[in-house]
This record gives sequence, C-alpha cells and structure tokens, in this order.
Amino acid sequence: EAQVTQNPRYLITVTGKKLTVTCSQNMNHEYMSWYRQDPGLGLRQIYYSMNVEVTDKGDVPEGYKVSRKEKRNFPLILESPSPNQTSLYFCASSPWDRSYTEAFFGQGTRLTVV
Amino acid sequence: AQSVSQHNHHVILSEAASLELGCNYSYGGTVNLFWYVQYPGQHLQLLLKYFSGDPLVKGIKGFEAEFIKSKFSFNLRKPSVQWSDTAEYFCALRKTSYDKVIFGPGTSLSVIP
Repeated sequence: EAQVTQNPRYLITVTGKKLTVTCSQNMNHEYMSWYRQDPGLGLRQIYYSMNVEVTDKGDVPEGYKVSRKEKRNFPLILESPSPNQTSLYFCASSPWDRSYTEAFFGQGTRLTVV
Repeated sequence: AQSVSQHNHHVILSEAASLELGCNYSYGGTVNLFWYVQYPGQHLQLLLKYFSGDPLVKGIKGFEAEFIKSKFSFNLRKPSVQWSDTAEYFCALRKTSYDKVIFGPGTSLSVIP
C-alpha cells in the first residue's frame, strides 16, 4: 500500500531535549516536505527536499533541521525543542510529475513540549 | 506571494443540508487547486483537485468544486451532508510539483444528526 509513515504519532518531551520525528515513503517520490499545523493558521511548510541531499527552508524553519540521505526517508530534527514548537506535524511526499501535483500526507505527529 | 483564504472558520449544518465552503486564492499564473479533508485524529486526505480542463471537478464522497478563474475562487460543494462529513476542510494551491503546497486556514464543519 502506498503510504507516508511517520513516527511517533504522539510525543511529549521537555524543553531542550533533542528529538527526531521520522518520515518514510514507499512511493519513490522525489519531493518530500514537513508541515506544522496550528489552529487558525492551516499548514505551514517547515522544510522541503527536492531529492537526495537537496534540502531547503520553507516558511517556518527556525528551530528545525532535516536531512535527506536516502530517497525514502526525511527525518525532522528538533535540536532544542521549545514550547512554541508544540504543534501537529505532517510529512508529505509527491513525485516530480508535471501533471501530478497531489501531495500524500502522513498520519501526523502530535508534539507537546513542556 | 501566493495565498489562500477560506470564507468560514466554522460551519454547523444539519444532516441533509447543502454545503458550500468558499475558497479564494491569490496568484496570477496557472495553479493547481485542491481540497483536502482531515477527519478527527486523522491525516489529510485529498477530496478533489483541479489541474486543467473542466472547471467543475468531482471528487470522492459526493463532493464537487468549481474553479472560477475570473473570481480566483474554488468553492467546495455537496448537495446533502452527512454526520460523517464532520471534519476540517482545507483549500490549497500548488504552482507546480516542485513547489510547496499553500494551505488556507481551514474550515471546521460540524454536521448535526
């Protein structure tokens, strides 16, 4: 089954404790991205990757890091989480296809930083 | 810069009522438009999309949307809602498959049995 898998689904952590949220897709998509969802703001892009070893900042990259060592994986790293990073996070992937612009989303990771 | 706005923050309807959720976007070029739905506790699922061609787009679960280029609008409709349609609905646009998806703030729909 074609899917984007995120782990963990729920995470509570303390301020300053490094954490990683994993994202994996099995559709051989080139484009992957991370979004955070906050009430009234919709989803905002944090980072994206056009392909292996190619990453770039989205609209709200502060406090986050990513890497793309393999095509299928795109982990999101919070080196020193802070309470304002409490949010719902989604990973998404899509192919490089002029006529196929739909993005596939993971199940989401609800992060609480206390 | 491109942006998406949605007319309603929260909509409450009775079952069998008709639904129309407004969406407007700002971008002068060719865009791809989407409606995503997020059921409680779940991920975003694509309801329908407009890429080109017929401006009236039919999606899953009886939803449809009409692209009106002159009004920069992409409103979502359903003739008769069900309790199971209770969810958050996001309008979104994307210029190309190399660009980010730009989301509206979302509309929360509550359907009362």
